[in-house]
Amino acid sequence: EPEVTQTPSHQVTQMGQEVILRCVPISNHLYFYWYRQILGQKVEFLVSFYNNEISEKSEIFDDQFSVERPDGSNFTLKIRSTKLEDSAMYFCASSGQRGLVTGELFFGEGSRLTVL
Amino acid sequence: SQQGEEDPQALSIQEGENATMNCSYKTSINNLQWYRQNSGRGLVHLILIRSNEREKHSGRLRVTLDTSKKSSSLLITASRAADTASYFCATDSAGFQKLVFGTGTRLLVSP
Repeated sequence: EPEVTQTPSHQVTQMGQEVILRCVPISNHLYFYWYRQILGQKVEFLVSFYNNEISEKSEIFDDQFSVERPDGSNFTLKIRSTKLEDSAMYFCASSGQRGLVTGELFFGEGSRLTVL
Repeated sequence: SQQGEEDPQALSIQEGENATMNCSYKTSINNLQWYRQNSGRGLVHLILIRSNEREKHSGRLRVTLDTSKKSSSLLITASRAADTASYFCATDSAGFQKLVFGTGTRLLVSP
């Protein structure tokens, strides 16, 4: 069964360092998302991406964040200068040809980011 | 904000009992979905109900939607210990390319 894969599963970094989280969405999906979840808390929308551009982003997704689909298979989230409050689980998700109209998002297992 | 709120925040039941979780949201929606999350894992889609539907079933899951009250409920019948997880509702609205998740209900099913 196709699945969304994310790497790394856990990354520890120092405050101020750049971090890149990687995702391989399901191959025939066209819509891509990043969400984050601070430990034990709600799942927060960060950004959606379609046709090589951002469709929508939240207030959390400020200038420190960027997304890219560099090679047609990977989908990356970059945090330029990490802060302590960026510590969270980051989830990548993808959805099919008609995006949310068809329904479900398929989530990866997440990348846990710890900022020290 | 479109965000949903689940109620209760936590629910503890015995195996075999039914579990009911409720979700309320604030804006008009296209669809409402329910997801499950095992501790430390990704979210898994359970069921989707469209705004023009009132009830939907999938196996032991039953979802209702009341758009006039902006609320939904998820019923898990004959619960099992393996149903222990957090359950989130999520909504999407016309013109927005995103799902907005609720605050979640932590369900504990004891053997």
